[in-house]
Amino acid sequence: EPEVTQTPSHQVTQMGQEVILRCVPISNHLYFYWYRQILGQKVEFLVSFYNNEISEKSEIFDDQFSVERPDGSNFTLKIRSTKLEDSAMYFCASSGEGRDSLAFFGQGTRLTVV
Amino acid sequence: AQSVTQLDSQVPVFEEAPVELRCNYSSSVSVYLFWYVQYPNQGLQLLLKYLSGSTLVESINGFEAEFNKSQTSFHLRKPSVHISDTAEYFCALSGSARQLTFGSGTQLTVLP
Repeated sequence: EPEVTQTPSHQVTQMGQEVILRCVPISNHLYFYWYRQILGQKVEFLVSFYNNEISEKSEIFDDQFSVERPDGSNFTLKIRSTKLEDSAMYFCASSGEGRDSLAFFGQGTRLTVV
Repeated sequence: AQSVTQLDSQVPVFEEAPVELRCNYSSSVSVYLFWYVQYPNQGLQLLLKYLSGSTLVESINGFEAEFNKSQTSFHLRKPSVHISDTAEYFCALSGSARQLTFGSGTQLTVLP
């Protein structure tokens, strides 16, 4: 069964450092998403990406964040200068083109900022 | 604006007992509704979905949910739970935009 894969599974970084979280979406999917889940809180939408550009973003997705599809398979989330409050589980998801296409989620990357 | 409310943050229940996890939503447009399950230290797995058609939807492991438009609810039920059902359950919707709006989650703990 096709799946979304995320690397690394856990990343520890110092405050102020840049981090890049990586995702390989399902190969024939066209929409890509990042969500985050701060410990003990709800899953929150960050950004969606389609046709090589951001299609939607939330208030959380400020100038510190950026996304990129550097090649035909990877989808990355970059946080330029991490803050303690960026510590969370980050989930990548992908879906097909149909409006009722289901979103499949990766296993997540746990980011710990120290 | 759209939102999802899960009324119970924690639901403890004994094994083989029935359970209902409540979910209400608010949206000015028609929605698709979902239940996702998150086992400890794992990602989100789709449990079941309502896109259109029959308002009662079922999963392969015995869960079911009923879309009730008048009550704006999508409660999740299982007639007899197992220890392995212990997990966090998230209700979610997508409306005019593709991205999902999640509820705050319900931790289901099945006790022996």
